[in-house]
Amino acid sequence: DTAVSQTPKYLVTQMGNDKSIKCEQNLGHDTMYWYKQDSKKFLKIMFSYNNKELIINETVPNRFSPKSPDKAHLNLHINSLELGDSAVYFCASSQEARGHTQYFGPGTRLTVL
Amino acid sequence: DQQVKQNSPSLSVQEGRISILNCDYTNSMFDYFLWYKKYPAEGPTFLISISSIKDKNEDGRFTVFLNKSAKHLSLHIVPSQPGDSAVYFCAATRSGNTGKLIFGQGTTLQVKP
Repeated sequence: DTAVSQTPKYLVTQMGNDKSIKCEQNLGHDTMYWYKQDSKKFLKIMFSYNNKELIINETVPNRFSPKSPDKAHLNLHINSLELGDSAVYFCASSQEARGHTQYFGPGTRLTVL
Repeated sequence: DQQVKQNSPSLSVQEGRISILNCDYTNSMFDYFLWYKKYPAEGPTFLISISSIKDKNEDGRFTVFLNKSAKHLSLHIVPSQPGDSAVYFCAATRSGNTGKLIFGQGTTLQVKP
């Protein structure tokens, strides 16, 4: 069984659309994260949730909204997609909020046309 | 500003030889460092970590060295194997922080048979 899974793996959409990426972890972890890997390959944290509570919110446009229905799921909703949103988005989880070892999902490649 | 830097985008070594991947950081508040390995179309996988109270940590073929005065760490892989060919990311964080990892831009390692 996959520890951290993301759907979809690939997402191609038009500018202005709204899309969601889902993430699930079956590790029993309390904390989940969203990272963005841009065209320059930098991995940057966007959000993290601990037991459904937002604990990290980097300077990300309001068009991005994470939603955590339970501690095993952290979904990412993106409204009014822009060309610059094209990237690979990784979900991750860790045992606790200060858990340094984070386990990553396979990534979702988002392409905005 | 990029607080964690991997100045070598790529490295090529012969199978059986040593691979040395380097990482520099600028924030003296960082006190925990990690290396992740990433294959194409997969998420990063945790490899090895080191706390700032140590200067060396070893796990099988992988050893991480930390030089706090130089704000430099390195990952040694001995002996290198073709399966080690991947992108290696260095990451840093502050203990007690909210789990926010700052990543370098990665080094692509190619191990030639």
